[in-house]
Amino acid sequence: AQSVTQLGSHVSVSEGALVLLRCNYSSSVPPYLFWYVQYPNQGLQLLLKYTSAATLVKGINGFEAEFKKSETSFHLTKPSAHMSDAAEYFCAVSDQANRDDKIIFGKGTRLHILP
Amino acid sequence: DTGVSQDPRHKITKRGQNVTFRCDPISEHNRLYWYRQTLGQGPEFLTYFQNEAQLEKSRLLSDRFSAERPKGSFSTLEIQRTEQGDSAMYLCASSPRTGGNYEQYFGPGTRLTVT
Repeated sequence: AQSVTQLGSHVSVSEGALVLLRCNYSSSVPPYLFWYVQYPNQGLQLLLKYTSAATLVKGINGFEAEFKKSETSFHLTKPSAHMSDAAEYFCAVSDQANRDDKIIFGKGTRLHILP
Repeated sequence: DTGVSQDPRHKITKRGQNVTFRCDPISEHNRLYWYRQTLGQGPEFLTYFQNEAQLEKSRLLSDRFSAERPKGSFSTLEIQRTEQGDSAMYLCASSPRTGGNYEQYFGPGTRLTVT
């Protein structure tokens, strides 16, 4: 069975500071990994995805994530936080062999940006 | 593409009533997914369709829940005899599953409140 664990349900960073949201995954098969963002009362928007190509994945809005198989991690980073980054972020995993099979989401990390 | 749309956006109902939600996927996306998201949690998979065929149902989908996609285009999710525990955001997603694009595109969700 696949799962993801997001460390920290709430993370606060100052505007302009580094953003680091942690995600560890568990999968018995090669995974696809995703980061989604959700703004209040809205659906999910894909930030970036890892699909077994480059281990460093660049996404929208200046975010990137690095797939580390040895650490089973897929942490999300952004060099400089902006007020508009305040939102809920979800790490997710799916079964690569089954391509777009169901996605398993973590519980989410709410990112707060301090002025 | 106009994106995935869901209707209604909000629904308040009394316990014991039946409710039906509609999802219109992106045109020509042959896979359609339903997820449920409760407060403070990540989305949880409920079921998905390949065209009009329902291929998988989660254990979360009790016999009070039924989903259809009669012509392989829009889908409906019905909940019979609603309970307070059904209060959640119901998210729909669609995927083209062609040309190497397996991304799931999410709609804005339907927020259900059972009083």
